[in-house]
Amino acid sequence: DAGVIQSPRHEVTEMGQEVTLRCKPISGHDYLFWYRQTMMRGLELLIYFNNNVPIDDSGMPEDRFSAKMPNASFSTLKIQPSEPRDSAVYFCASGQGMYNSPLHFGNGTRLTVT
Amino acid sequence: SQQGEEDPQALSIQEGENATMNCSYKTSINNLQWYRQNSGRGLVHLILIRSNEREKHSGRLRVTLDTSKKSSSLLITASRAADTASYFCATDAGVMNTGFQKLVFGTGTRLLVSP
Repeated sequence: DAGVIQSPRHEVTEMGQEVTLRCKPISGHDYLFWYRQTMMRGLELLIYFNNNVPIDDSGMPEDRFSAKMPNASFSTLKIQPSEPRDSAVYFCASGQGMYNSPLHFGNGTRLTVT
Repeated sequence: SQQGEEDPQALSIQEGENATMNCSYKTSINNLQWYRQNSGRGLVHLILIRSNEREKHSGRLRVTLDTSKKSSSLLITASRAADTASYFCATDAGVMNTGFQKLVFGTGTRLLVSP
């Protein structure tokens, strides 16, 4: 298995531009999570999906952030418009719907907004 | 929301020495997990310990859990340069209504193992 795949690995954009981050979870995993990691705030859970349905988006910082999961093998996290404070590493993770099962993380997208 | 806090924030040791990292959390848990993160990579699951367990081993890893003190420790024995990474504890913020635990991560310990 290739694991969780995220793209792009690095994204540099100017303030005000739209940014789209992509994630392919591990096949067969029915949960997908988006996390954001910064030095100041550590790892924050933004949103998670179960069977492609958004369950909890209470961690999404603002309406500028949106996430979709059109099918079991693909999810996107979009920021529009982007701001410098959105600069962070964004991780996607997937897991199986069993209690106590571990999360599998992608290698993240490092976003820099100038 | 509950969050684990690791101690120390950074640890520097020589190869062959043991490394101990501690994690404290705030509220009751069902389980606690430890993850490793190499520079520029995603987190990798190391070990899970349930609230009714006190100690667990996996290779050179030993995890203890003291629910009365709301703390856990991760011991890496006979450390290697390849163990250089950040280590995070993660606690479940309760079972979500869909049956999956919602993990809240601590602040991490940066471990440097020098050859």
